[in-house]
Amino acid sequence: AQKITQTQPGMFVQEKEAVTLDCTYDTSDPSYGLFWYKQPSSGEMIFLIYQGSYDQQNATEGRYSLNFQKARKSANLVISASQLGDSAMYFCAMRAPGRVDSSYKLIFGSGTRLLVRP
Amino acid sequence: DSGVTQTPKHLITATGQRVTLRCSPRSGDLSVYWYQQSLDQGLQFLIQYYNGEERAKGNILERFSAQQFPDLHSELNLSSLELGDSALYFCASGGTGKDTQYFGPGTRLTVL
Repeated sequence: AQKITQTQPGMFVQEKEAVTLDCTYDTSDPSYGLFWYKQPSSGEMIFLIYQGSYDQQNATEGRYSLNFQKARKSANLVISASQLGDSAMYFCAMRAPGRVDSSYKLIFGSGTRLLVRP
Repeated sequence: DSGVTQTPKHLITATGQRVTLRCSPRSGDLSVYWYQQSLDQGLQFLIQYYNGEERAKGNILERFSAQQFPDLHSELNLSSLELGDSALYFCASGGTGKDTQYFGPGTRLTVL
């Protein structure tokens, strides 16, 4: 069964420093996608970054990068130069194919709450 | 702004009642996904519609139902509401199945 594990319930980081949020996944499907979403206190879910299982290079989006280690089944999110506005919940998710064509769902981890200190 | 709209933003109702949550996907997206976020269950997939047809079902209760209309907007109907149904309900939209899912702002349901 597919599963996403985030082992850090909460983390602190000093403003302007880099931080790594951990995510491990489990799937037997060779084709999968991994996502990170940010949920600020206002509640919305904001897409940050995507990594496909066949992508040769690690994904990057501005200050966000995904450290994809396929053999270890890990997909850690790295935020460089943290800002106060980065304080939020961060969710790792995996796209899980269904039994019908065009049938996909996201499986989410339990999330990591990041607090950026000034 | 993700381009996905959800109404209402907040909903307060009583046990036993029925409510309807509405979602409009991003322009061009054919898929609509519904998710429930609660304190004890986390984020869970409920159901997916693709171009008007149900494509996948997750942990959706029999008291809950959904549909997607010809203009691609979707509605999630929750009936015989219980206290435990209080949660944040998200709609997400995507194009073909492997596309990124973009989430709406959510509807916060409180059942008293």
